[in-house]
Amino acid sequence: ILNVEQSPQSLHVQEGDSTNFTCSFPSSNFYALHWYRWETAKSPEALFVMTLNGDEKKKGRISATLNTKEGYSYLYIKGSQPEDSATYLCAFTGNQFYFGTGTSLTVIP
Amino acid sequence: KAGVTQTPRYLIKTRGQQVTLSCSPISGHRSVSWYQQTPGQGLQFLFEYFSETQRNKGNFPGRFSGRQFSNSRSEMNVSTLELGDSALYLCASSSGTPQETQYFGPGTRLLVL
Repeated sequence: ILNVEQSPQSLHVQEGDSTNFTCSFPSSNFYALHWYRWETAKSPEALFVMTLNGDEKKKGRISATLNTKEGYSYLYIKGSQPEDSATYLCAFTGNQFYFGTGTSLTVIP
Repeated sequence: KAGVTQTPRYLIKTRGQQVTLSCSPISGHRSVSWYQQTPGQGLQFLFEYFSETQRNKGNFPGRFSGRQFSNSRSEMNVSTLELGDSALYLCASSSGTPQETQYFGPGTRLLVL
């Protein structure tokens, strides 16, 4: 069983704060690292897919970095807004998708 | 393009019964994966079908089975339901390569009484 760990488990921040969370994964047999945002009562929505060590991706106020050699990825949210409240999932893909348990973010207005 | 659809959206069953869930992938996608999510747990991988063949399987008992049809639609079956099978079941479709994004359906929420 392959372990993908995310930290922290949950996070409460004030509107306007910047925040980041971590996804740790095995550094062997790596194909890709995916980030998803999962809002309550909706389907998980893809944010980024990263495949190369050192990859950085950006979408608006959200960005992500990847270190495949040490097996971690960071997701950053700049100037958090209430609509950013969601669970953020990462998934490591080797021969299949392995999801972490997610980081639940609550942005307080 | 139409997204991934799942039917039914909600289901109530009793212990010992069986249930079949359906997933229609995005047009052109040949891979369908199924996941189970229970409170406090992440997405637990059940299995993946690609071109009508089971390509990968998670660590679930044999009561959980699936199949894929020639049009890529997939069904998941759970026999002899247990209370612990109460969960949200999500399917996701993709082109089938690990670098490609999986697109999720809205899920089927199953309650076993």
